[in-house]
Amino acid sequence: DQQVKQNSPSLSVQEGRISILNCDYTNSMFDYFLWYKKYPAEGPTFLISISSIKDKNEDGRFTVFLNKSAKHLSLHIVPSQPGDSAVYFCAASAGETSGSRLTFGEGTQLTVNP
Amino acid sequence: NAGVMQNPRHLVRRRGQEARLRCSPMKGHSHVYWYRQLPEEGLKFMVYLQKENIIDESGMPKERFSAEFPKEGPSILRIQQVVRGDSAAYFCASSLFQGQETQYFGPGTRLLVL
Repeated sequence: DQQVKQNSPSLSVQEGRISILNCDYTNSMFDYFLWYKKYPAEGPTFLISISSIKDKNEDGRFTVFLNKSAKHLSLHIVPSQPGDSAVYFCAASAGETSGSRLTFGEGTQLTVNP
Repeated sequence: NAGVMQNPRHLVRRRGQEARLRCSPMKGHSHVYWYRQLPEEGLKFMVYLQKENIIDESGMPKERFSAEFPKEGPSILRIQQVVRGDSAAYFCASSLFQGQETQYFGPGTRLLVL
């Protein structure tokens, strides 16, 4: 039972354009969502998070949008840079009810072309 | 200003041997999580520990796997009698609190079972 799904295994964009990565979830108990970036042979690096009481959070070039009714979140990167090329993981937690363990999607490989 | 540290970074074991993976959380963090990433998959939760206590081990196989986080020293993930299917990347994460709290990941230990 895949509770967090990233349906696009890969995404390719041009440098300077917007990258939009999508994530869907099924568990209505999830109340905290995070995006991580991962390079090969390294651990995931935290990018940005959002609580279920918000619908948008912005940090520099990164913005996360949460649509609770659709159980959908997205990460926007503007402008995209070649250094953003990596695998992006969406993760969710149910806070107190699950002891904070994260449930991850399968990841989306983002390639930003110069 | 050290982040989460894991060692060894790479570990090769023959079938039937034991593997010991160590994790030192970020300074001041008392919550430790272990995740496993099998080839071509996302990260899967294994176990959540606080100092001297296992809080949630629902993701850990019932046999051969154990984890501890002693009062002094790093957290240890121990795999006894390893099999080829244990080959994976094992990531440790830590957080300051539980609940809606960001988890920061270490670089991982890549275990290869021959």
